[in-house]
Amino acid sequence: GAGVSQSPRYKVAKRGQDVALRCDPISGHVSLFWYQQALGQGPEFLTYFQNEAQLDKSGLPSDRFFAERPEGSVSTLKIQRTQQEDSAVYLCASSLSGVGTQYFGPGTRLLVL
Amino acid sequence: QKEVEQDPGPLSVPEGAIVSLNCTYSNSAFQYFMWYRQYSRKGPELLMYTYSSGNKEDGRFTAQVDKSSKYISLFIRDSQPSDSATYLCAMSAELDGGSNYKLTFGKGTLLTVNP
Repeated sequence: GAGVSQSPRYKVAKRGQDVALRCDPISGHVSLFWYQQALGQGPEFLTYFQNEAQLDKSGLPSDRFFAERPEGSVSTLKIQRTQQEDSAVYLCASSLSGVGTQYFGPGTRLLVL
Repeated sequence: QKEVEQDPGPLSVPEGAIVSLNCTYSNSAFQYFMWYRQYSRKGPELLMYTYSSGNKEDGRFTAQVDKSSKYISLFIRDSQPSDSATYLCAMSAELDGGSNYKLTFGKGTLLTVNP
């Protein structure tokens, strides 16, 4: 079966633009996670969904970051009014439950100029 | 000080060498310990998953957890050029409701295995 897919793989935005990053989790996976990985760093937790419910958004760095998963499958991470410090790889992961192995997608590499 | 510390390397070894990677942590609530491998421009891939203290072996890979010292290790025997990647340690604590999803990662160690 297919793994976690993310699109676009690369995104260049001008400072101040809004961007939307998409994640398609593994079919049947209830839990979905977003992480931010800055250059030379490990991934940092952003937010967690169980089905369509966003149960934890404690890692979102500011109110410019917003995530949704309206039908409990595909998720979108939106960043409004992008800043240069938002440049990073955004990783999506999914798992069967909140205690299972997390399977990561390839990430979206965002560069804000 | 970060909750999880990991020497970023880089680490370069000849093919066939035994590789030792490690992380230290400060949060005594961590009970779940993982090692991920990340190839360039790819997402992390789970290698080893350990609960609490002890050793776990899987093929050429051995994971060790010493909770008393807050220290975890990954050993790679007979290293191969295909093992060249960044190795990330990750940890989590049990949260209310029994889930443990909130992973805290180290910075990652870049390993190169030379043929």
